[in-house]
Order: sequence, then C-alpha cells, then structure tokens
Amino acid sequence: SQQGEEDPQALSIQEGENATMNCSYKTSINNLQWYRQNSGRGLVHLILIRSNEREKHSGRLRVTLDTSKKSSSLLITASRAADTASYFCATGDNAGKSTFGDGTTLTVKP
Amino acid sequence: DADVTQTPRNRITKTGKRIMLECSQTKGHDRMYWYRQDPGLGLRLIYYSFDVKDINKGEISDGYSVSRQAQAKFSLSLESAIPNQTALYFCATSDLLVDTQYFGPGTRLTVL
Repeated sequence: SQQGEEDPQALSIQEGENATMNCSYKTSINNLQWYRQNSGRGLVHLILIRSNEREKHSGRLRVTLDTSKKSSSLLITASRAADTASYFCATGDNAGKSTFGDGTTLTVKP
Repeated sequence: DADVTQTPRNRITKTGKRIMLECSQTKGHDRMYWYRQDPGLGLRLIYYSFDVKDINKGEISDGYSVSRQAQAKFSLSLESAIPNQTALYFCATSDLLVDTQYFGPGTRLTVL
C-alpha cells in the first residue's frame, strides 16, 4: 500500500514558471523525502525534511511539511527545461524504511 | 565511479528461469534495499537489510529472495521468474543516521 500520494499526477508548465507538487500521507512519519527521476533512471535525492521541521530550502527548491494535515509540498522556482522529470515523495518511518508515492510527472516547456 | 552499481542493467529471460540481480556499493552504508518499479508507478519495497545479518521482507517479497554477502553486496533472486515480475528493479543504500537513500541505475528485467 502506498503511504504518500502525489498531486497532480502530471504537470506541464513553461520555462521560468514555478512548479508546485503536493504529497499527502496517512500515518505518522519520522521524515519526508523528495526524489527526482529522469526517465528510466535511478532516483536522485533532492531534500529531506524531518517531522519537527516546517520548511526547508535548497537552491530553487522549497519544501514545506504540515504534519497536522499530513501533507507536504515541493516548490521549484524559475523552472528550466532540465527540470523535466518525475518527482516522488517518500515517507520515512522510525524503523528506517521509506514508502514512495506514485510520483508527479513534470514537463517544462522551453 | 558510481557509488551504487547494479548488474546486469538489462535482462530478458523466460518464464521459470532463475535470475539473480546484483548490487554493490562503495558508500560504506550498512542499510541496503531492493525495490521494483512498474510503469507509471512509484517504488515498492521488496526486501531490505540493515546489516549483514539482518534481512527483512518488504511490501512485495513473494516470489523473491535476497542474500547479503557482505556490507557492500546485496543480491536479489527470482527463483522461478514469471511475466508479472517484468519491471525496473532498483537497489538503494542509506546510512544508519540519515534516511536519505542513494539509488543504483536500475535493472530492466523482462520475463517472457
């Protein structure tokens, strides 16, 4: 069973626009991670936010976490064509395991 | 050199064959994982290992087995492959203290 569910499933924007993806989950978490996957390749870790944190930044990425609503969002600012990829959230439990959602496919048009 | 490597990268096999997928890592991590990914979906955990003597079943372990030969090596076996095991398989590692996972490039397995 999937813990995290991303929304939307697909997102298409123009270069320079911001992209926002959301992740909802069902049970308590230790942390939440965001990963990026280029077509058919391995996942690359983007950012991890712990359950006691509310917001983190990394370059053009901004992640928020609302544990009361069991949701997180990933914002990519000033998107580039190279940001085209699938983005996955993963919820980490206290046992060290992570559960992945089905991802959001982002297309950034030049 | 890549920190997490998987062999083979592509494999086509027939129903009933035994297949082994191998994963090696140079990151020095104790924790290793095997996932499968089906088209358009996320990753599902097959097995995981937190050290050489620790093996645990994940969400979808039926039809699979694993071996942790050393800290750096974690193999996944399909004892008798079936067509619905056709998928992309990923190995990942993580550190004890940080849950960030580092993924291999994947093995594309096709069972005919």
